[in-house]
This record gives sequence, C-alpha cells and structure tokens, in this order.
Amino acid sequence: GQQLNQSPQSMFIQEGEDVSMNCTSSSIFNTWLWYKQDPGEGPVLLIALYKAGELTSNGRLTAQFGITRKDSFLNISASIPSDVGIYFCAGPCTSGTYKYIFGTGTRLKVLA
Amino acid sequence: NAGVTQTPKFQVLKTGQSMTLQCAQDMNHEYMSWYRQDPGMGLRLIHYSVGAGITDQGEVPNGYNVSRSTTEDFPLRLLSAAPSQTSVYFCASSYLGTGIDGYTFGSGTRLTVV
Repeated sequence: GQQLNQSPQSMFIQEGEDVSMNCTSSSIFNTWLWYKQDPGEGPVLLIALYKAGELTSNGRLTAQFGITRKDSFLNISASIPSDVGIYFCAGPCTSGTYKYIFGTGTRLKVLA
Repeated sequence: NAGVTQTPKFQVLKTGQSMTLQCAQDMNHEYMSWYRQDPGMGLRLIHYSVGAGITDQGEVPNGYNVSRSTTEDFPLRLLSAAPSQTSVYFCASSYLGTGIDGYTFGSGTRLTVV
C-alpha cells in the first residue's frame, strides 16, 4: 500500500538553529499537508500545499511541494523551545477519496 | 467554540471488556474519522464517516465498530478489547470530505488493555 516515509525520525537541535525535514511517497500526491503534534495533544494543521513546486510559509515555517509530486519538505527557521513536538506529513490516499495517510513523523527536540 | 471533544482522556480495560470512546464536534463538519497512533507508525485510519448515517472502513477496522446517528457525534466501540488495541485514539473532523482543508483533531484518548 501507499507509504509516507519521513526523515529524520528524530532530531535534537540547539535553540536558534534552522531545521529541515522531508517526506517521501511511493506514489504521486496532489495535496500535501503538514501537521504538528504537541505532547499530549492531537495534531494541528500547519501548512497545506496544492500544486507541484508550491512554496508556502506560515511564520517561521516554510513548506514546499516537490516537483516530482512524490515528496515535500518542511523548514523551520530560528527554532525556539516551543517548536518541540512531532511533525507529520499527510496526503490523500489514492485508494479512496475520503482517506488520508500520515507519515511516520519527525520528532523534534530543541535544546535551550 | 469547543472544536472536537473526546472522552475519556485515559482508560484502562481488561482483555475482553467492551467500551465506547466518545467524539463530538460543534463545527457542523460532515466528515469525521477515527485514527490510532502507535509508536513509530504514525496515524492509521480506523473508520470514517462522510455524513450522518454513512460510515466506512479505513486501514485498520478490525475489532472496532462505529455509527453516525447525528452530524455532531461519532462514537467508536471496542467490542472485546485486546492488548493489541492499546494505543492513543484520535478523532478528527473536516468540512470537506477530501480533507484538503485539513483535519481538526481532538486531544486523544489513551487506552491501555491489560
């Protein structure tokens, strides 16, 4: 079945550093969404991407829809302690219009 | 505006017991779904509903039942709990069934089956 692989699985960074993570798919996606999950909470939508090559920002976060439509990237600039959490990519499953699949997540830990 | 409300927040069950996880949303969203989250496996879709009276299976439906009698509520039933159902369960809703507008998630139910 479809899979979304995220890398890295986890990362420790110093406060103020920039962070990059990516998500790759075994098949083409028409929509990419990035979510963040704070500890003990449900995921919250950060950014949605709808077109190959699209670059979208939300504050210090920037996400890109890969040209091949099989990948997406999320960058966080000047990280702060509240950036800690799990970042998920997600997209609509080709086996059904009303189904999403989520990536395995990138766990981010920020050292003050 | 409460968003998506899940109850209970924590639950311990014995193997073979049954229970219902509650989910309610006040945003008039037609689409609702249940996910389970396990370490290293992301979120996996259990069941979903595109409107009152309509439900369908997701990726991992075995051992779970759902019904949707109202737009607001989408309960998830475990008929005979098994240790493999130990997980964190999330309910999510969206205005568009395709989800391209993004899902609103509840804060989760942490279930342990012993």
